[in-house]
Amino acid sequence: DTGVSQNPRHKITKRGQNVTFRCDPISEHNRLYWYRQTLGQGPEFLTYFQNEAQLEKSRLLSDRFSAERPKGSFSTLEIQRTEQGDSAMYLCASSWRQRTGASSYNEQFFGPGTRLTVL
Amino acid sequence: GIQVEQSPPDLILQEGANSTLRCNFSDSVNNLQWFHQNPWGQLINLFYIPSGTKQNGRLSATTVATERYSLLYISSSQTTDSGVYFCAVLTQGGSEKLVFGKGTKLTVNP
Repeated sequence: DTGVSQNPRHKITKRGQNVTFRCDPISEHNRLYWYRQTLGQGPEFLTYFQNEAQLEKSRLLSDRFSAERPKGSFSTLEIQRTEQGDSAMYLCASSWRQRTGASSYNEQFFGPGTRLTVL
Repeated sequence: GIQVEQSPPDLILQEGANSTLRCNFSDSVNNLQWFHQNPWGQLINLFYIPSGTKQNGRLSATTVATERYSLLYISSSQTTDSGVYFCAVLTQGGSEKLVFGKGTKLTVNP
């Protein structure tokens, strides 16, 4: 399977615990994105990496959230001191941006997500 | 920031019917994608269509960037088409984030 993979698929934790999710992008993709989706809503952007550099962060990414992408390969998203409001689906996406003249191609492909439940 | 509105929010069809889903956006965009989210939560890429028209089997999409809308057509719908359809845009100005609409929930009954 050459798609985006995420682990674990499901995580149940108690309030106050730390959790870490992993995302493995499509191998040739240099961009990696994290999104969060709550029930009945579309996904919302959290952060993105170009190779190992974290280039953009949403204000949704509070100081309890940290993301890394060491060596520009897989990425981890850690949530410290989880709260019930953190319960959501966490989605990872990757892309390979190409420039052709004045335009660019940047199609994002999503993984299956990690569903977090905070009790 | 940019606003993305999808309509209708809910759509119920009988198998074999055709439908049109609409996505309006409030500013110029560099990219527009349509996704189908299946019952397990997986987002499946349908179209990458910043402008123009594309077709893939029973599905086709048209984006009129100058008028800031996109349409997704589903013909001869099947029960497996059920799920939520999302439109997402990449704004101009250098940001790499996709901004999603709230989706259209499609139910196709046998």
